[in-house]
This record gives sequence, C-alpha cells and structure tokens, in this order.
Amino acid sequence: GAVVSQHPSRVICKSGTSVKIECRSLDFQATTMFWYRQFPKQSLMLMATSNEGSKATYEQGVEKDKFLINHASLTLSTLTVTSAHPEDSSFYICSARNRGTGYSNQPQHFGDGTRLSIL
Amino acid sequence: GQNIDQPTEMTATEGAIVQINCTYQTSGFNGLFWYQQHAGEAPTFLSYNVLDGLEEKGRFSSFLSRSKGYSYLLLKELQMKDSASYLCAVRDDDYKLSFGAGTTVTVRA
Repeated sequence: GAVVSQHPSRVICKSGTSVKIECRSLDFQATTMFWYRQFPKQSLMLMATSNEGSKATYEQGVEKDKFLINHASLTLSTLTVTSAHPEDSSFYICSARNRGTGYSNQPQHFGDGTRLSIL
Repeated sequence: GQNIDQPTEMTATEGAIVQINCTYQTSGFNGLFWYQQHAGEAPTFLSYNVLDGLEEKGRFSSFLSRSKGYSYLLLKELQMKDSASYLCAVRDDDYKLSFGAGTTVTVRA
C-alpha cells in the first residue's frame, strides 16, 4: 500500500534553533501534501497545504514566515520551523494524496509524525 | 468552515460493541473518514464513506447520512488493542481534511 515516510521522528533542541522535517511519498507521486500539528490531547489541526511546484497555502493563524514549506518534487515536501520556541513543541504530521486517477476515494496517507520538543 | 462533533470518551468491555457518533456541519463535502490513533502515533485509516449507507470492514463498520450530517463508527468484538482515540474527519472539495477532537475509547477486561 501507499507509504509516507517522515523524518526525523523526534527532535529535541534549544530555543532559537530552526528544525527541518521531511515528508516523502515512497511508492506514489503526491502533487499535494498536507502538514498538521497536534498538541497533547487535542486533534489534528491543518497548518498548510503543500503543492508541488507552487507556493504552499496556509491556514488562518499559521505564520508562513515561521513555518516554511517547500515541495520541490512529487515525492518530497519539507517543513522548516524557524527560530523555534517552546510553544512550538508539538507533534507534526504530514500526509500525502496520490495524484493518480481513480484515487478520489482514497484516504490521505499519514507519515509517522515528528515529535518536536523545544527546550 | 467545518464543525465536527464527537464524544470525548467512551468505555466498554472486551467482546462488547461500541458505537461512536459524529455529527458535522461543513462547507463542502467530499467524504467522511474514520481514523484510529494510538497515543504518540500517527493516525491510521479505518474507513471511508461518501455515499449514504453502511460500509463494513471486518470488525469495524461505518455509517453515513449526508442529509443529517451524521456518521457513526461501530466497533464489534472489542479487543484490548482497540483502546485508542478514534478521529472523525470530513474532506472538503479541496481534499483538505478537518478532524473532530477525537473519541478516546477504553476497553476493559
């Protein structure tokens, strides 16, 4: 089945550090990838939609200059949390949508998530 | 925007049946999904409904009524490993998913 790989799985770093998270679709091409954030005991909140070859679309309240998204190829999207602070500590999860025809009824496939802890 | 409601917690006994309800009010509808999420892990896909009716998949079934903005996930023959959070998610016409807050199901022996 469709597999999405996310790396790294866990990051612990000092305040002010920039952190890059990668999301790869391993066996399919994804024109669209989605980035979610999940705080403890809360549900997933969509941060942005990453489109291959164009600018990402950010949800209301998400700072585009803080959360930089690059979708340079059909199998890779990256999220960079710039100058991270403790309040950015969260579980970040990506998902990807198969661009192939006949996949309109298919679910988004999620990566394993990245747990980010800012000290 | 999307407004998705589901109960916060449910408890059931091993071997029993539990039904998790989800109601939604959305701008645009392109399918409803149920995901299972264990603590500290990413969600895993359980079921998908886009037409009214019941979809059965082993021990799990999901029902949708679009006119009522209502869905439920039915878990049969509960096992201890089914203890998890169950997320109801609605997809809009742009293929964005909006999630409910999740229902934590605790299965007791």
